[in-house]
Amino acid sequence: EVQVVESGGGLVQPGGSLRLSCTVSGFTFGDFWMNWVRQAPGKGPEWVANIKNDGNGRNYVASVEGRFTISRDNSKNSLYLQMNSLRAEDTALYYCARSPPGGSVGYGMDVWGQGTTVTVSS
Amino acid sequence: QAVLTQPASLSTSPGASASLTCTLRSGINVVTHGIYWYQQKPGSRPQFLLRYYSDSNKQQGSGVPSRFSGSKDVSANAGILLISGLQFDDEADYYCMIWHRSAWVFGGGTKLTVL
Repeated sequence: EVQVVESGGGLVQPGGSLRLSCTVSGFTFGDFWMNWVRQAPGKGPEWVANIKNDGNGRNYVASVEGRFTISRDNSKNSLYLQMNSLRAEDTALYYCARSPPGGSVGYGMDVWGQGTTVTVSS
Repeated sequence: QAVLTQPASLSTSPGASASLTCTLRSGINVVTHGIYWYQQKPGSRPQFLLRYYSDSNKQQGSGVPSRFSGSKDVSANAGILLISGLQFDDEADYYCMIWHRSAWVFGGGTKLTVL
C-alpha cells in the first residue's frame, strides 16, 4: 500500500524555523519527483516546492524562495522541508505529495499525505 | 490577473451534468498545457481526478469513475472538467492546476453543490 506520512509541524513564533519530514512507503521513492503543497485555513492549495528524484533539481514558489529548502534522502525514503524566517502567512496545513513520472517534473501530484499543521504566531 | 480562474461556485442537481471551467490567463495558451483536476471534500486531502492534455494524451486517476472527464475549450482558453450523472457524493471543492514558469499553480477552486 502506498503511504505518505508527514510530521514536524507545530507552533512557532514569527521569524522562527521548523523542519518538516515526510516518510513514504509502498513505492520506489527514488523514482519520483516529490512536492510540498500547503493549504491555509479556508483557502485552496498552494504548491510550495518540488525536488527531482535524484535531488539535483528544485523549484520553489516565489513567496518562499530563499527562506525554505526542500531536500530528500532516498536511502531513508524521506522528504524534508526546512522552513526559516517563518511568517504568519506561512500558517497552513502542509502536504507531502508524489508526482508520477512524466514530462519535465512529473505529471502533477497523484498521492498526498494527510498533512502536518504549521502555525506561525506570537 | 490570476494565472487560473475558476467560478467560485456551481449548483446542480443529482443525475445532471456539470461543466467546471478553468480559464487560463491571457498569454498562457491552454493548447500547450496539461490541465490537472483535483477534488477535495471538507476535512480531507485533495484527490487527483485526472490530467488532460488532449484526447490522445490524458490520464484518469486511480479509481476515478469515467463519468469524470476532461477537455479543453481552445476558443475560451480554458480547461474543462465534465462530471456526468452527478451524485450527492460529488459535492466538493474542485481545483485545476497547471505547470507554469517552473511552478505548479492552482486555480482558486469551484465549490460544487449538488441539491
